[in-house]
Amino acid sequence: EAQVTQNPRYLITVTGKKLTVTCSQNMNHEYMSWYRQDPGLGLRQIYYSMNVEVTDKGDVPEGYKVSRKEKRNFPLILESPSPNQTSLYFCASSFALSNQPQHFGDGTRLSIL
Amino acid sequence: DQQVKQNSPSLSVQEGRISILNCDYTNSMFDYFLWYKKYPAEGPTFLISISSIKDKNEDGRFTVFLNKSAKHLSLHIVPSQPGDSAVYFCAAKAMDSNYQLIWGAGTKLIIKP
Repeated sequence: EAQVTQNPRYLITVTGKKLTVTCSQNMNHEYMSWYRQDPGLGLRQIYYSMNVEVTDKGDVPEGYKVSRKEKRNFPLILESPSPNQTSLYFCASSFALSNQPQHFGDGTRLSIL
Repeated sequence: DQQVKQNSPSLSVQEGRISILNCDYTNSMFDYFLWYKKYPAEGPTFLISISSIKDKNEDGRFTVFLNKSAKHLSLHIVPSQPGDSAVYFCAAKAMDSNYQLIWGAGTKLIIKP
Protein backbone atom coordinates (compact mmCIF):
# COMPACT_ATOMS: atom_id res chain seq x y z
CA GLU A 1 0.00 0.00 0.00
CA ALA A 2 1.30 3.43 -1.00
CA GLN A 3 1.80 5.50 2.11
CA VAL A 4 3.69 8.11 4.07
CA THR A 5 4.50 6.91 7.57
CA GLN A 6 5.31 9.22 10.46
CA ASN A 7 6.55 8.24 13.91
CA PRO A 8 5.74 8.86 16.64
CA ARG A 9 2.08 9.81 16.28
CA TYR A 10 2.02 11.52 19.66
CA LEU A 11 4.80 12.83 21.89
CA ILE A 12 4.87 14.84 25.08
CA THR A 13 8.31 16.04 26.07
CA VAL A 14 10.11 18.84 27.87
CA THR A 15 11.89 21.97 26.74
CA GLY A 16 15.42 21.38 25.49
CA LYS A 17 15.26 17.62 25.05
CA LYS A 18 16.28 16.79 21.47
CA LEU A 19 13.73 14.82 19.48
CA THR A 20 13.37 13.40 15.99
CA VAL A 21 10.18 12.73 14.08
CA THR A 22 10.70 10.19 11.34
CA CYS A 23 8.99 10.20 7.94
CA SER A 24 9.19 7.44 5.36
CA GLN A 25 7.47 7.04 2.00
CA ASN A 26 7.27 3.96 -0.24
CA MET A 27 6.24 5.64 -3.50
CA ASN A 28 9.72 6.53 -4.78
CA HIS A 29 8.83 10.22 -4.57
CA GLU A 30 11.59 12.75 -5.12
CA TYR A 31 9.92 15.62 -3.27
CA MET A 32 9.28 15.54 0.48
CA SER A 33 8.14 18.27 2.85
CA TRP A 34 7.34 19.00 6.47
CA TYR A 35 4.43 21.17 7.60
CA ARG A 36 3.05 22.32 10.90
CA GLN A 37 -0.62 22.98 11.46
CA ASP A 38 -1.74 25.46 14.07
CA PRO A 39 -5.31 26.60 14.82
CA GLY A 40 -6.50 29.31 12.45
CA LEU A 41 -3.33 29.23 10.36
CA GLY A 42 -3.63 26.26 8.03
CA LEU A 43 -0.49 24.34 7.10
CA ARG A 44 2.83 26.14 7.03
CA GLN A 45 5.88 24.64 5.38
CA ILE A 46 8.95 24.08 7.57
CA TYR A 47 11.46 22.46 5.21
CA TYR A 48 11.34 20.63 1.93
CA SER A 49 13.59 18.41 -0.15
CA MET A 50 13.69 18.09 -3.91
CA ASN A 51 15.80 14.91 -3.82
CA VAL A 52 18.53 13.11 -1.89
CA GLU A 53 20.97 15.55 -0.24
CA VAL A 54 18.91 18.55 -1.45
CA THR A 55 16.98 20.42 1.25
CA ASP A 56 15.69 23.97 1.57
CA LYS A 57 13.86 26.17 4.05
CA GLY A 58 10.16 26.72 3.91
CA ASP A 59 8.23 29.53 5.60
CA VAL A 60 8.91 28.62 9.25
CA PRO A 61 12.28 26.82 9.50
CA GLU A 62 13.54 28.35 12.77
CA GLY A 63 14.27 25.73 15.43
CA TYR A 64 14.12 22.78 13.03
CA LYS A 65 16.60 20.70 11.05
CA VAL A 66 16.11 18.06 8.40
CA SER A 67 18.22 15.61 6.45
CA ARG A 68 17.68 13.61 3.26
CA LYS A 69 20.29 10.86 3.12
CA GLU A 70 17.98 8.37 1.45
CA LYS A 71 15.15 8.95 -0.98
CA ARG A 72 12.50 7.36 1.21
CA ASN A 73 13.31 9.06 4.54
CA PHE A 74 13.04 12.68 5.62
CA PRO A 75 13.39 13.07 9.40
CA LEU A 76 12.51 16.29 11.22
CA ILE A 77 14.86 17.17 14.07
CA LEU A 78 14.17 19.54 16.94
CA GLU A 79 17.56 20.09 18.56
CA SER A 80 16.25 22.11 21.52
CA PRO A 81 12.46 22.06 21.49
CA SER A 82 10.54 24.97 22.98
CA PRO A 83 6.84 25.33 23.92
CA ASN A 84 6.12 27.38 20.76
CA GLN A 85 6.90 24.25 18.74
CA THR A 86 3.88 22.50 20.24
CA SER A 87 1.88 21.72 17.13
CA LEU A 88 0.54 19.09 14.73
CA TYR A 89 3.16 18.10 12.19
CA PHE A 90 2.64 16.55 8.77
CA CYS A 91 5.09 15.00 6.37
CA ALA A 92 4.20 14.93 2.67
CA SER A 93 5.71 13.59 -0.55
CA SER A 94 5.13 13.75 -4.29
CA PHE A 95 6.82 13.18 -7.60
CA ALA A 96 9.02 16.08 -8.67
CA LEU A 97 6.74 17.12 -11.49
CA SER A 98 4.84 20.36 -11.48
CA ASN A 99 1.32 20.22 -10.08
CA GLN A 100 1.58 16.72 -8.65
CA PRO A 101 -0.65 16.37 -5.57
CA GLN A 102 1.18 15.71 -2.32
CA HIS A 103 0.52 12.61 -0.24
CA PHE A 104 0.44 13.15 3.50
CA GLY A 105 1.23 11.12 6.56
CA ASP A 106 -1.31 10.91 9.39
CA GLY A 107 0.41 13.53 11.49
CA THR A 108 2.47 13.78 14.68
CA ARG A 109 1.10 15.72 17.62
CA LEU A 110 3.96 17.21 19.63
CA SER A 111 3.53 18.82 23.04
CA ILE A 112 6.57 20.61 24.45
CA LEU A 113 6.20 21.42 28.15
CA ASP B 1 -0.82 38.44 5.96
CA GLN B 2 -2.59 35.30 4.78
CA GLN B 3 -2.47 34.94 1.02
CA VAL B 4 -5.13 32.20 1.01
CA LYS B 5 -8.22 32.75 3.13
CA GLN B 6 -11.09 30.49 4.01
CA ASN B 7 -13.35 32.84 5.90
CA SER B 8 -15.83 30.26 7.14
CA PRO B 9 -14.36 28.13 9.94
CA SER B 10 -17.36 25.81 9.72
CA LEU B 11 -20.37 25.03 7.57
CA SER B 12 -23.39 22.86 8.28
CA VAL B 13 -25.39 21.36 5.38
CA GLN B 14 -28.31 18.97 5.16
CA GLU B 15 -27.59 15.57 3.64
CA GLY B 16 -28.51 15.53 -0.05
CA ARG B 17 -28.15 19.30 -0.47
CA ILE B 18 -25.31 21.21 -2.07
CA SER B 19 -22.26 22.17 -0.01
CA ILE B 20 -20.35 25.24 -1.16
CA LEU B 21 -16.95 25.94 0.35
CA ASN B 22 -15.24 29.21 -0.46
CA CYS B 23 -11.64 30.34 -0.74
CA ASP B 24 -10.17 33.76 -1.52
CA TYR B 25 -6.60 34.59 -2.45
CA THR B 26 -4.57 37.74 -2.81
CA ASN B 27 -1.55 36.73 -4.90
CA SER B 28 -2.12 37.15 -8.64
CA MET B 29 0.92 34.91 -9.27
CA PHE B 30 -1.00 31.82 -8.12
CA ASP B 31 -1.60 29.58 -11.13
CA TYR B 32 -2.76 26.29 -9.62
CA PHE B 33 -5.25 25.57 -6.88
CA LEU B 34 -6.03 22.42 -4.95
CA TRP B 35 -8.60 21.23 -2.45
CA TYR B 36 -7.71 18.72 0.21
CA LYS B 37 -10.00 16.90 2.61
CA LYS B 38 -8.98 15.94 6.13
CA TYR B 39 -10.58 13.55 8.59
CA PRO B 40 -9.67 13.63 12.30
CA ALA B 41 -6.41 11.84 13.15
CA GLU B 42 -5.52 11.50 9.47
CA GLY B 43 -3.45 13.54 7.06
CA PRO B 44 -5.01 15.67 4.30
CA THR B 45 -5.92 13.80 1.12
CA PHE B 46 -6.04 15.37 -2.32
CA LEU B 47 -9.55 15.95 -3.63
CA ILE B 48 -9.57 18.07 -6.78
CA SER B 49 -7.50 20.78 -8.46
CA ILE B 50 -7.80 23.48 -11.08
CA SER B 51 -5.33 25.33 -13.26
CA SER B 52 -5.66 29.08 -13.73
CA ILE B 53 -6.29 28.57 -17.44
CA LYS B 54 -9.63 26.98 -16.59
CA ASP B 55 -12.65 28.27 -14.73
CA LYS B 56 -14.21 24.94 -13.84
CA ASN B 57 -13.13 21.38 -13.11
CA GLU B 58 -15.45 18.54 -12.28
CA ASP B 59 -14.87 15.12 -10.73
CA GLY B 60 -18.00 13.19 -9.84
CA ARG B 61 -19.86 14.99 -7.07
CA PHE B 62 -17.09 17.58 -6.71
CA THR B 63 -16.73 20.70 -8.84
CA VAL B 64 -14.27 23.52 -8.35
CA PHE B 65 -14.95 26.95 -9.84
CA LEU B 66 -12.30 29.60 -10.30
CA ASN B 67 -13.04 33.31 -10.72
CA LYS B 68 -9.67 34.91 -11.46
CA SER B 69 -10.93 38.47 -11.60
CA ALA B 70 -12.39 38.13 -8.11
CA LYS B 71 -9.48 35.97 -6.90
CA HIS B 72 -12.02 33.49 -5.61
CA LEU B 73 -12.55 29.79 -5.89
CA SER B 74 -15.26 27.54 -4.58
CA LEU B 75 -15.78 23.83 -4.11
CA HIS B 76 -19.26 22.46 -4.74
CA ILE B 77 -20.30 19.06 -3.43
CA VAL B 78 -23.55 17.72 -4.85
CA PRO B 79 -25.26 15.86 -3.32
CA SER B 80 -23.67 16.09 0.12
CA GLN B 81 -23.23 12.78 1.93
CA PRO B 82 -22.42 11.98 5.59
CA GLY B 83 -18.92 10.84 4.60
CA ASP B 84 -18.22 14.35 3.32
CA SER B 85 -18.07 15.62 6.91
CA ALA B 86 -14.44 16.69 7.24
CA VAL B 87 -12.18 19.73 7.21
CA TYR B 88 -11.53 21.08 3.72
CA PHE B 89 -8.36 22.97 2.90
CA CYS B 90 -7.80 25.21 -0.07
CA ALA B 91 -4.17 25.50 -1.27
CA ALA B 92 -2.50 27.54 -3.99
CA LYS B 93 0.76 27.40 -5.92
CA ALA B 94 2.59 30.34 -7.45
CA MET B 95 3.89 30.40 -11.04
CA ASP B 96 7.50 30.65 -9.91
CA SER B 97 7.23 27.75 -7.47
CA ASN B 98 6.92 24.16 -8.64
CA TYR B 99 6.00 22.67 -5.32
CA GLN B 100 5.43 25.12 -2.50
CA LEU B 101 1.78 25.35 -1.54
CA ILE B 102 0.17 28.17 0.41
CA TRP B 103 -2.69 26.89 2.54
CA GLY B 104 -5.91 28.31 3.87
CA ALA B 105 -6.93 27.69 7.48
CA GLY B 106 -9.60 25.16 6.54
CA THR B 107 -13.39 24.91 6.74
CA LYS B 108 -15.07 22.22 8.82
CA LEU B 109 -18.02 20.79 6.90
CA ILE B 110 -20.74 19.05 8.88
CA ILE B 111 -23.35 17.07 6.98
CA LYS B 112 -26.56 16.74 8.96
CA PRO B 113 -28.81 13.70 8.47
